[in-house]
This record gives sequence, structure tokens and C-alpha cells, in this order.
Amino acid sequence: GAVVSQHPSRVICKSGTSVKIECRSLDFQATTMFWYRQFPKKSLMLMATSNEGSKATYEQGVEKDKFLINHASLTLSTLTVTSAHPEDSSFYICSAPQVNVNTEAFFGQGTRLTVV
Amino acid sequence: SQQGEEDPQALSIQEGENATMNCSYKTSINNLQWYRQNSGRGLVHLILIRSNEREKHSGRLRVTLDTSKKSSSLLITASRAADTASYFCATGDSGTYKYIFGTGTRLKVLA
Repeated sequence: GAVVSQHPSRVICKSGTSVKIECRSLDFQATTMFWYRQFPKKSLMLMATSNEGSKATYEQGVEKDKFLINHASLTLSTLTVTSAHPEDSSFYICSAPQVNVNTEAFFGQGTRLTVV
Repeated sequence: SQQGEEDPQALSIQEGENATMNCSYKTSINNLQWYRQNSGRGLVHLILIRSNEREKHSGRLRVTLDTSKKSSSLLITASRAADTASYFCATGDSGTYKYIFGTGTRLKVLA
């Protein structure tokens, strides 16, 4: 099946720095990707829809200046957590649909971000 | 809230017993999927059921879908300790391929 690769799987950064997380579709093109955030022992909350060649669409309550999304190619979307704070520590996961092939969502392995 | 609701929030059973989890959602859907997540790990896709299907089986898993009630259930039969995990339903929008997750059920299977 289709594979979505997310990198890095774990990252620890200092408060005030920025962290970039990559999401790649390995064997298919994805004009749309989705970014989710998961707090400990909670469900996944949709943060934003990443659109290739245009601006991302953010869900209500998500700060777009805090969570910068760039979908520069048909196989890569990046999420940059800017000026990270400890409360940004979370599990971030991306997904990419294989549009017009099936409707199963393919998820990356997730990135555990710890801000110290 | 964008999320669907799942119940129970937590479930503890003995190995060999069946586990049933329920999911309710709010909008019209194209399909519904169930995922498993082991602690601190990524998502594992279990099964997809389309809006025109009422029941689906995969190994020890049985999923039902009632679109009139906007609900789904996941049954795990003959549970094993390795089934211990969190289980999430996710509803799919055919127009956007955006998936909204339920609140999840934490299943613990005791050996």
C-alpha cells in the first residue's frame, strides 16, 4: 500500500527555537495532506490542511503564525513549529490521501516533539 | 467540537473475552475507519467501512455502521493481551479526504 514517511520521529528542542517536521508521500503524489496533533492520552485533533501550491487551511483555534505549513511539492509537506514553547510539546502526525485511488487515509509514523 | 464520541473511554477485560467499542459522529460521511494506537506510537489502520456498507469483517474484527444513527461499533473477538491499545474511529469526508477522529477507547486486555 501507499506509504507516508514522517521525519523526524522524535525531536527535543529548546524553548524559543523552531522545529521543522517533514511529511512525504513515497510512492504517490499528494496535492493535499493533513496535519494532526495529539496530546497525551487524548485523540488526534486536525490542525490544518496542507494544499500543494497554495496556502494551508487552518482549523479554528490553530495559530497559523505559530504552525507554519509549506506544501512545496506534490510529495512533501512541512510543518514548522515556530518559537516553540513547552506547551507545544505533543505528538504530531500527518496524513495523505491517495486521491481517486482509494479513500483510505495513509498516516505517517508521527513526530514526538518535546520542548525544554 | 470537531470530534466524534467514542464509548467507553476505557475498557478492561480478560484475555479471551470480546471487546466492543462504539463510535458516534455528527456529519454525513463517505466512509469510517478504525485505527489502533499503541502507547506512544503511530496509527495502525484496522478496517474501513463505506457508507453503503452495514457490516465488515477482518479476522477477529467486526465493524458495523448505522448511518441513520450516525454510529459504528468495533468488536474484537477472543481478545489477546497484545490487543491492549487505544482504538480510534475516524470519519472520512468524500469531498476533502479530511478525517475527523473520535475521542478514542483505551482497551486493556489482562492476561
